[in-house]
Amino acid sequence: SAVISQKPSRDICQRGTSLTIQCQVDSQVTMMFWYRQQPGQSLTLIATANQGSEATYESGFVIDKFPISRPNLTFSTLTVSNMSPEDSSIYLCSVDLRGANTEAFFGQGTRLTVV
Amino acid sequence: AQSVTQLDSQVPVFEEAPVELRCNYSSSVSVYLFWYVQYPNQGLQLLLKYLSGSTLVKGINGFEAEFNKSQTSFHLRKPSVHISDTAEYFCAVAPFSGGSNYKLTFGKGTLLTVNP
Repeated sequence: SAVISQKPSRDICQRGTSLTIQCQVDSQVTMMFWYRQQPGQSLTLIATANQGSEATYESGFVIDKFPISRPNLTFSTLTVSNMSPEDSSIYLCSVDLRGANTEAFFGQGTRLTVV
Repeated sequence: AQSVTQLDSQVPVFEEAPVELRCNYSSSVSVYLFWYVQYPNQGLQLLLKYLSGSTLVKGINGFEAEFNKSQTSFHLRKPSVHISDTAEYFCAVAPFSGGSNYKLTFGKGTLLTVNP
């Protein structure tokens, strides 16, 4: 299994500001994923972050709004830029240890409220 | 592309009663199937998964699920629930192959509330 630590666990931010969420894994992984869980909704994949390459964004998500860094095999950050109340969500980091979609592990999430 | 439908957004049950949480999926390719649980203010924890082989899979905390290919379903069951099972449950699928199609697709979740 994997232990995934996310920071911060929650935050309340003013609109127009940016927040960077950190994700630390206790083992080296190739692929890390960032999801958004809007209130009352399911999880939606924002992007896939591979070490040493640009993140791959899903439809509806762009790098200017959600820049991602992946400096090494155990760490990634997601920034939510120029926030609006619509960005209020839980953001989750995930890794797949085995590859081939067979087992994903999740962090505890970052609960973001934009006021 | 894949899609997942969880037919019940909320399921209230009494303690020690059996429960079934329903999940149907749609996919043009073969998929792996998963159930995750999310306790309040926590991340997702894998309950069980179907990769291949026996269509009845057993997971943690006494849960089990049965893959039915003809009905494209993967319903989650537990014969006797506890108060501590109160949580949000998510069904998810992922394609066999990776590449550009790699991702987990989640259903909208079912809130299981176990009452004393």
